[in-house]
Amino acid sequence: DTEVTQTPKHLVMGMTNKKSLKCEQHMGHRAMYWYKQKAKKPPELMFVYSYEKLSINESVPSRFSPECPNSSLLNLHLHALQPEDSALYLCASSPVGRGRETQYFGPGTRLLVL
Amino acid sequence: AQTVTQSQPEMSVQEAETVTLSCTYDTSESDYYLFWYKQPPSRQMILVIRQEAYKQQNATENRFSVNFQKAAKSFSLKISDSQLGDAAMYFCAYNDYKLSFGAGTTVTVRA
Repeated sequence: DTEVTQTPKHLVMGMTNKKSLKCEQHMGHRAMYWYKQKAKKPPELMFVYSYEKLSINESVPSRFSPECPNSSLLNLHLHALQPEDSALYLCASSPVGRGRETQYFGPGTRLLVL
Repeated sequence: AQTVTQSQPEMSVQEAETVTLSCTYDTSESDYYLFWYKQPPSRQMILVIRQEAYKQQNATENRFSVNFQKAAKSFSLKISDSQLGDAAMYFCAYNDYKLSFGAGTTVTVRA
């Protein structure tokens, strides 16, 4: 099973709202990733968790707050976002997170910030 | 940071024909992985094919095959017998420490 699931599929929020994105994988992987993708552009890495510890933060603004409650779950908490944060947010997982691995992606959450 | 270059923003292919997507990359490493991912308009990023740099044999997955030229740092994808469902954006990606993507190539399939 190579499935990574993400909820919700779509999210509309105002700039003062607080919301969360959720990602789940059941492949026994120990690394999980958040990417941001603008239309017709490649994904941009935001965060990497390896063995439930944050290993990479690509200088992402603090209005994005990741959380990894366990090795199967990854959340992205959103607060005080800007309209330019509207994008597709992709979650991915891989076996251990040391590179030279295949990453498997979820279907994404389409976020619109008004 | 590693650089991945896809020089073809768009490619069009007739159904049942063959199309080749080009990708070059820049690295000083000898051990790495290369990937082609497909992202249809429905948006899920799907792994098409993977190549490990230490393997000389070109990877093949059904109608998809690669031409991996390590010395030239080239990694092209050939789609044979193109189908309407192949229409998507295709991303070439390099992974040694983290995944670096090319800009993508949009493939349209003409019926």
